[in-house]
Amino acid sequence: GENVEQHPSTLSVQEGDSAVIKCTYSDSASNYFPWYKQELGKRPQLIIDIRSNVGEKKDQRIAVTLNKTAKHFSLHITETQPEDSAVYFCAASRAAGNKLTFGGGTRVLVKP
Amino acid sequence: GAVVSQHPSWVICKSGTSVKIECRSLDFQATTMFWYRQFPKQSLMLMATSNEGSKATYEQGVEKDKFLINHASLTLSTLTVTSAHPEDSSFYICSVVPGSSNEKLFFGSGTQLSVL
Repeated sequence: GENVEQHPSTLSVQEGDSAVIKCTYSDSASNYFPWYKQELGKRPQLIIDIRSNVGEKKDQRIAVTLNKTAKHFSLHITETQPEDSAVYFCAASRAAGNKLTFGGGTRVLVKP
Repeated sequence: GAVVSQHPSWVICKSGTSVKIECRSLDFQATTMFWYRQFPKQSLMLMATSNEGSKATYEQGVEKDKFLINHASLTLSTLTVTSAHPEDSSFYICSVVPGSSNEKLFFGSGTQLSVL
């Protein structure tokens, strides 16, 4: 089955700096890679996703890159703000509506 | 986005009792729902795939007789934790596919289960 590795497990950045989270996956058939933000006790919220036919996608301060050959994808958050503090999960699946395999999560702390 | 309701949001029960968690899709029909479990400070782990009108598909290591899943209608799936024990204490969350298999998943609000 699919295995998704995520690094780092914790990330502390100064407000205004950038944050980068990296994930690798094992299943070459995976084609859909979403990123979720989860606050304590809440449901994961989809913040951005990318499909395998695209190498990069950007939405305001958030961008995701995908290297299908190397089987890794990354989340970039620019100009971080305190409200960006949360746990972020990457995930992979064979299609958008298929079961997701999650990475281990990254706890991001943005210091004012 | 699609609305997925999960109930209850939290439950405390005694060891040995059973707990039922409901996951409802409020504005669409869902033939497939997924159930995840999340222990404190850990990731979401898929427990099972719930298919309307058929038996659920369980992931390796998940006891189907302990975690009963019923997906009797296109808008409701239930997860029953039978004979709950303290090690079952966790955050349980459903996710739903609104429509075709190419649609994005939507998550329920989650259920925090604490077994005393």
